[in-house]
Amino acid sequence: DAGVIQSPRHEVTEMGQEVTLRCKPISGHDYLFWYRQTMMRGLELLIYFNNNVPIDDSGMPEDRFSAKMPNASFSTLKIQPSEPRDSAVYFCASTQGGPVQPQHFGDGTRLSIL
Amino acid sequence: AQSVTQLGSHVSVSEGALVLLRCNYSSSVPPYLFWYVQYPNQGLQLLLKYTTGATLVKGINGFEAEFKKSETSFHLTKPSAHMSDAAEYFCAVSEVEGGSYIPTFGRGTSLIVHP
Repeated sequence: DAGVIQSPRHEVTEMGQEVTLRCKPISGHDYLFWYRQTMMRGLELLIYFNNNVPIDDSGMPEDRFSAKMPNASFSTLKIQPSEPRDSAVYFCASTQGGPVQPQHFGDGTRLSIL
Repeated sequence: AQSVTQLGSHVSVSEGALVLLRCNYSSSVPPYLFWYVQYPNQGLQLLLKYTTGATLVKGINGFEAEFKKSETSFHLTKPSAHMSDAAEYFCAVSEVEGGSYIPTFGRGTSLIVHP
């Protein structure tokens, strides 16, 4: 079975540009999570969805960040405008049957804002 | 609110030696507990989990962990380290009664294995 698929794997862009990260969860999974990982702050939960509906976005750092899940097989995390401090690895994860179940992670998008 | 503490950001062992990675949590009720492993340039993968029942849990790659309620600990062990075990290890906790159910992750412990 295919795992969680994230694209792109690497993104380098200049500050002020719009960045869109993409995620395809595992088929049949009803929860989707977006995380950010940095050396300074570790793994931070940004937002999570249940059945395509955002449940908790309290981890989204600023209004520059937005996330959508238009259907069960696709989600995006957008940063506009991007800033150098947004540089991090962004992970998407999905699970089935509740947020307490083990999560399946994608391989992440390494984002560098110059 | 739940929190997770992983003692030691780096642990260094020799190949063949015992691996011990420590995890302590604070939770008002017995939680669900997880260990994940992250290899370079990859996402986290589940090693093992504790929900209810037997407190000694066996996972993949020869790892196991024991839930000790009195010590609020869930330490990860492996009798004999392999070079391939070098990775980042994360402990995570989910409160399942009266909590948000969303797991809280520790800061991670980097396991270094020397030949």
